[in-house]
Amino acid sequence: GQNIDQPTEMTATEGAIVQINCTYQTSGFNGLFWYQQHAGEAPTFLSYNVLDGLEEKGRFSSFLSRSKGYSYLLLKELQMKDSASYLCAVTTDSWGKLQFGAGTQVVVTP
Amino acid sequence: ETGVTQTPRHLVMGMTNKKSLKCEQHLGHNAMYWYKQSAKKPLELMFVYSLEERVENNSVPSRFSPECPNSSHLFLHLHTLQPEDSALYLCASSQDNEQFFGPGTRLTVL
Repeated sequence: GQNIDQPTEMTATEGAIVQINCTYQTSGFNGLFWYQQHAGEAPTFLSYNVLDGLEEKGRFSSFLSRSKGYSYLLLKELQMKDSASYLCAVTTDSWGKLQFGAGTQVVVTP
Repeated sequence: ETGVTQTPRHLVMGMTNKKSLKCEQHLGHNAMYWYKQSAKKPLELMFVYSLEERVENNSVPSRFSPECPNSSHLFLHLHTLQPEDSALYLCASSQDNEQFFGPGTRLTVL
């Protein structure tokens, strides 16, 4: 079968760093995405990795290791508005068919 | 503003009703998607359309019927739904890798 696993919930304080891990086992691989979803809102794109290594975009960075089936999303200098669900998703074909993990709820405390 | 709009935002229907969800994208993308998001479960891909042709039907029951009349519009026709079909239905569009999501329709089946 195909699995995408990520922790259910993480809590961190404002100004801290949090790392959300994602492991995947899929029949193919054409890229890995991270999305942010606030309660009651649509998911919004954060990052896309297709090659091994680290992609940095402001306070957010995403890392991929294809040989290990592993990615992480790093959130630095946490702000209260970063409290949201973070979705890891893998695409396995050229049609953009995304398979999502269940999401990691990040709670940022003062 | 994501460039992908969905109507209605909320819908309550009985099991014998027939209703339709509408999605419109203003981004010039060539692929559109329907997803179902139930509480505490991963986003589930339902249908994929590329250049107005359906390229994926992810084992969705026939009580859900998609329609893509042109590259900007996508519909999901609903009839004789079950209470377990209550969920958030998200539309997305893409040109290359990144998928842009609409705000979703919150559907409740009584």
